[in-house]
Amino acid sequence: NAGVTQTPKFRVLKTGQSMTLLCAQDMNHEYMYWYRQDPGMGLRLIHYSVGEGTTAKGEVPDGYNVSRLKKQNFLLGLESAAPSQTSVYFCASSPAPLYEQYFGPGTRLTVT
Amino acid sequence: KNQVEQSPQSLIILEGKNCTLQCNYTVSPFSNLRWYKQDTGRGPVSLTIMTFSENTKSNGRYTATLDADTKQSSLHITASQLSDSASYICVVSARGGSYIPTFGRGTSLIVHP
Repeated sequence: NAGVTQTPKFRVLKTGQSMTLLCAQDMNHEYMYWYRQDPGMGLRLIHYSVGEGTTAKGEVPDGYNVSRLKKQNFLLGLESAAPSQTSVYFCASSPAPLYEQYFGPGTRLTVT
Repeated sequence: KNQVEQSPQSLIILEGKNCTLQCNYTVSPFSNLRWYKQDTGRGPVSLTIMTFSENTKSNGRYTATLDADTKQSSLHITASQLSDSASYICVVSARGGSYIPTFGRGTSLIVHP
């Protein structure tokens, strides 16, 4: 039982490049979330999903897209990376709203 | 707008000492409050959850309190250990709406030997 896993762990991009971050969970959770964490800012919600095939915007969605084609996977895409997107990205899942969120280990992204 | 404020921003204590972290919130209508611990380079992990009717909850050396009237919570750590060095995040959820929780910015705790 791996819980929540994230791929890759580290990535360096040049401005304008694109990439996809993969989040996978093996707990059969309905809800999945993508956060970014910056120094002094805490965790900020980018997008979330309440079930397979659904997505919704969070607090800071601009510049990101997401997809939830399979219940266990939640993908975060950056179409044209900008230095402002340098951050640590965390994925989380929960069985239902108001329940504990289980977080992945994070992806450290640097955009130069 | 729902908000969660934590204090202090950072704290340094000696091993074996106790400490208390504070969380004030304006989330409404209140559903529950969680404290998460985030070790450096790791994702947050839940320590405790408190609902409206609960005043105190313990998890080993961690004790959380909740005053729903004043909208304040505290996390007390007893007999601190080096492994307690981490960021502690207060997260408050509201009933209804999107059910998306509101995160505090965290308190960074450093325990020195």
